[in-house]
Amino acid sequence: KAGVTQTPRYLIKTRGQQVTLSCSPISGHRSVSWYQQTPGQGLQFLFEYFSETQRNKGNFPGRFSGRQFSNSRSEMNVSTLELGDSALYLCASSERQGAGTYEQYFGPGTRLTVT
Amino acid sequence: GNSVTQMEGPVTLSEEAFLTINCTYTATGYPSLFWYVQYPGEGLQLLLKATKADDKGSNKGFEATYRKETTSFHLEKGSVQVSDSAVYFCALTGSARQLTFGSGTQLTVLP
Repeated sequence: KAGVTQTPRYLIKTRGQQVTLSCSPISGHRSVSWYQQTPGQGLQFLFEYFSETQRNKGNFPGRFSGRQFSNSRSEMNVSTLELGDSALYLCASSERQGAGTYEQYFGPGTRLTVT
Repeated sequence: GNSVTQMEGPVTLSEEAFLTINCTYTATGYPSLFWYVQYPGEGLQLLLKATKADDKGSNKGFEATYRKETTSFHLEKGSVQVSDSAVYFCALTGSARQLTFGSGTQLTVLP
């Protein structure tokens, strides 16, 4: 099976702009989660989508949003970019089987630089 | 809330040395525990997992045992290789399902 894919791999944006990142999960996986990785804050959970519905959300401002499509592909959007949004954005997919182990498989990430 | 504390890095070892990376956690209920590895320029790869107390996860020579009494999940490997050089993250999932990560430990193995 192909792994989790993320596009684009690298992005450079200017403060105030908005950006959309895309994630295609492993075939058959219906849950997609997004994480932000920065040197200062480490890895932080943004949100999770399952069956096109946001199921869980981390402690990020409303400028960060996402959605999931019927084929389980997901996008996240950041509006009014700030310098502090520069980070590696990681997408992870999972089968999300009931209340048991919830193994998440990560994509290579999108490196966003805000200037 | 949930939290994970990892030993501070960086850690530098010679090839074939023994590796231990300490990890302790705080969580309500019965979390699942994970170790992820990140190679330069890549995303995270699941290394091993344990879902209940006394479970031992193992993969590629790495091992970790879920110790509920000490709330720990230390990563060990008997003989490291240069190819093991990477950043290692301890993580847990609780009832909320999201992963909570430790700060990561940079491991460098010298030939």
